[in-house]
Amino acid sequence: GQQVMQIPQYQHVQEGEDFTTYCNSSTTLSNIQWYKQRPGGHPVFLIQLVKSGEVKKQKRLTFQFGEAKKNSSLHITATQTTDVGTYFCAVANAGGTSYGKLTFGQGTILTVHP
Amino acid sequence: DAGITQSPRHKVTETGTPVTLRCHQTENHRYMYWYRQDPGHGLRLIHYSYGVKDTDKGEVSDGYSVSRSKTEDFLLTLESATSSQTSVYFCAISDYPATSGGGKETQYFGPGTRLLVL
Repeated sequence: GQQVMQIPQYQHVQEGEDFTTYCNSSTTLSNIQWYKQRPGGHPVFLIQLVKSGEVKKQKRLTFQFGEAKKNSSLHITATQTTDVGTYFCAVANAGGTSYGKLTFGQGTILTVHP
Repeated sequence: DAGITQSPRHKVTETGTPVTLRCHQTENHRYMYWYRQDPGHGLRLIHYSYGVKDTDKGEVSDGYSVSRSKTEDFLLTLESATSSQTSVYFCAISDYPATSGGGKETQYFGPGTRLLVL
């Protein structure tokens, strides 16, 4: 099945610092999604990237899809305590009928010190 | 949030006992999924369903079975619970193929069930 590597596993930042998490695949992806899970909560869909080189922004969050569609990043500018949580990338299973299945990266746990 | 509920939300059980977790949706989505979440492993797919009575195995299906007799309900059964099945279990639904702007494989998650097997 599809595999995606996400780094780093943990990131500790001071409030106001920037944060970036990366996802990498050995194969070309049709699209990539990002989810956020607050502590004790459930994953929540943030965004989907489809096009090569695509960049999308949501307030302080910037999402990028690589030119080769094999990697993606999520960058948070000037982190706030509300950004705390685990960020996951997810990719659709390749080939045939996928039934909407996703393979999730291991996630990056972000902690923000006030 | 999508209309997804999971029950129970917390459960403590003993090794060897059967356990059934329920996922209920009010969105009428065709696709439903069960995941387990463990530290260092992210979300791993246990089983999924692509319609009533249509189910298939995911990445970590050993020791689990599922049933879907109605569109709205997807049950996960641990046939004989083991300590290695202590985990947080999430149900998710998808409207794949897309009927809205969220994307083809966008998934919406329930609140989760915390299961402790002693």
